[in-house]
Amino acid sequence: EDKVVQSPLSLVVHEGDTVTLNCSYEVTNFRSLLWYKQEKKAPTFLFMLTSSGIEKKSGRLSSILDKKELFSILNITATQTGDSAIYLCAALNTGFQKLVFGTGTRLLVSP
Amino acid sequence: DVKVTQSSRYLVKRTGEKVFLECVQDMDHENMFWYRQDPGLGLRLIYFSYDVKMKEKGDIPEGYSVSREKKERFSLILESASTNQTSMYLCASSSTRQGSEAFFGQGTRLTVV
Repeated sequence: EDKVVQSPLSLVVHEGDTVTLNCSYEVTNFRSLLWYKQEKKAPTFLFMLTSSGIEKKSGRLSSILDKKELFSILNITATQTGDSAIYLCAALNTGFQKLVFGTGTRLLVSP
Repeated sequence: DVKVTQSSRYLVKRTGEKVFLECVQDMDHENMFWYRQDPGLGLRLIYFSYDVKMKEKGDIPEGYSVSREKKERFSLILESASTNQTSMYLCASSSTRQGSEAFFGQGTRLTVV
């Protein structure tokens, strides 16, 4: 059975801290790993990672994939209160392109 | 701007009622998905469709059915709503083109009383 596991489940940090969110996966016919940010409503897309070892960056957020060890990390540097959200990791397979989600990491950044 | 629109943000229904959740996308995407999201369980796939009139069961299809009569519209049907179907329902769509992410609707919070 396809599985995506995220850790930690929740995290509280102070503004300015750096956080690392983890995602491991076991998915048949794996194609890509995606990260989403979910505030009060729809998840919004952050990154799609298909190749190992290539870091993707967007402002203070960055992510990398290790296809040998089957995991990905999402880093957020200099956190701000606006980073408070649930961060979702999902594995995309080939074929029907189903996304298999982890349970998410709830991040709270306190002022 | 790409858009996935769900017909209701909040819905309250009685046990035993038939419930329709509608989702429309304007991106000409082939794939459409219905997920439910519950605390501690993440997003779980109910059904998906990769073409008009085609449907595939996801991980938790029991108690649900779907309909895709037009490419842009994917409906989720609760044949006889039960309290354990109280949840947040999220619709998503994606292209079959390689490297395409899924876009989500704003979600429907359904409460069954």
